[in-house]
Amino acid sequence: DAKTTQPPSMDCAEGRAANLPCNHSTISGNEYVYWYRQIHSQGPQYIIHGLKNNETNEMASLIITEDRKSSTLILPHATLRDTAVYYCMLRSPGGSARQLTFGSGTQLTVLP
Amino acid sequence: EAGVAQSPRYKIIEKRQSVAFWCNPISGHATLYWYQQILGQGPKLLIQFQNNGVVDDSQLPKDRFSAERLKGVDSTLKIQPAKLEDSAVYLCASSLVLGLGGETQYFGPGTRLLVL
Repeated sequence: DAKTTQPPSMDCAEGRAANLPCNHSTISGNEYVYWYRQIHSQGPQYIIHGLKNNETNEMASLIITEDRKSSTLILPHATLRDTAVYYCMLRSPGGSARQLTFGSGTQLTVLP
Repeated sequence: EAGVAQSPRYKIIEKRQSVAFWCNPISGHATLYWYQQILGQGPKLLIQFQNNGVVDDSQLPKDRFSAERLKGVDSTLKIQPAKLEDSAVYLCASSLVLGLGGETQYFGPGTRLLVL
C-alpha cells in the first residue's frame, strides 16, 4: 500500500515558485518525510527531509503541516533544469528497507 | 568527493543469459542499496547491505537474483537466468549511516539492462 500520494504531473513557469504537494495521512510519529528528484536518465538526487519542523536548504524548502499528514516541497525560483520527477517518501530511523518505496512521483515540467 | 560508480552503463542480453552489475559506493559509506526501476515507475528496493551483511532482501527475487558485498565496499548484483521482465535500470545507492533519521542516499547513474 502506498503511504504517500502525489499528483502525477505539474507545470511551472520558469522563475516562479514550484509547489509540489504530498499527502501522507497515515504517517507515523517517528517517520521523516524525504524528497528526492530524478532528472531523466540519471539516478535520484536527495533534496531535503524533515520530521515536523519546516526545513530549508540551498535547493528547496519543505513545509510540513502541523498534523504531519501532508507536506509541500517548494522550489522558490524554478529553472528549466528543475524539470524532473519528484518523489516524496517516508522513512523512520531503523525502519525496514521496504519503506524505501518511491512510488510514481510527480513529473514537474518547468516551462520557459 | 567521488560519487557512486556503477558499471556497465548499458547492457543488452538475450533471455536466459546471465548478467552482473557492479557498484562502488562512496568511500566510507557503510550502507549500500540496489534498486530496480522499470520504465515509468519509481525505483523499487531489491536489497540493502550494512557493511558486508544483508539487512533486508525481502524484495529480491532469489530464484534468479543474487547480490554480494564481500568486503563491505564494492557490490555485485547478478541475474541468472534473465527474463524479459528484468529489462530495467538497476540503481545502486549508498549512505553513511543506517537507521538515523538524517540518512541521505546517494545514487549512482544506474545500469540500463535490455533483455531480448
